[in-house]
Amino acid sequence: QITLKESGPTLVKPTQTLTLTCAFSEFSLSTSGAGVGWIRQPPGKALEWLGLIHWNGRKDYSPSLSNRLSIVQGTSENQVVLTLTNLDPVDTATYYCAHRRVRGGSHYFDSWGPGTLVTVSS
Amino acid sequence: DIQMTQSPSSLYASIGDRVTITCRASQGISTYLNWYQQKLGRAPKLLIFDSSILESGVPSRFSGRGAGTDFTLTISSLQPEDLATYYCQQSYRFPWTFGQGTKVEI
Repeated sequence: QITLKESGPTLVKPTQTLTLTCAFSEFSLSTSGAGVGWIRQPPGKALEWLGLIHWNGRKDYSPSLSNRLSIVQGTSENQVVLTLTNLDPVDTATYYCAHRRVRGGSHYFDSWGPGTLVTVSS
Repeated sequence: DIQMTQSPSSLYASIGDRVTITCRASQGISTYLNWYQQKLGRAPKLLIFDSSILESGVPSRFSGRGAGTDFTLTISSLQPEDLATYYCQQSYRFPWTFGQGTKVEI
């Protein structure tokens, strides 16, 4: 059974950089078709797709965040790291990582981490 | 970006009711439409992918249909455990986008 878990700071000051780690098990990001996505959810609001790292190293980002967002494979082969620079209070949200599955031409998130709440405040 | 619009934004229903949620894409997305259920304080859970394929383990009272721009999620007989917010999401083109959610209250 695939599992994922996010970790990182819970409180970050404005203008600082957020670094979150997604640790996962029971799949390999080097397997053809694998992918890990990041999604966030401000308190009481809707889900927002942030980006995706593919098995082949390709990355896709939300255009609204692409100048501040980076998703890379971690130092461990079972980790993915999200970096978001120049934080603002509007970046306060629960951040989720999720496993992207491909079936035929369809892509979807079939396993999610529990999420981690990040608050941006001075 | 492809905009996803859900309706209604919230609804009240009774146990046993048939509930239908609509999701409309701003352009055609074939059948690359997924549905997620999110209970309060929990991570989203995949219900349906590719518009109509039920994820393993999801009760058969959930069903989805649609293609192009118009999609529906139906709960055939609402149960107490279905209290949640439901989101559609397109994976036709990057950036992937979610609808604003439909809160189902009982």
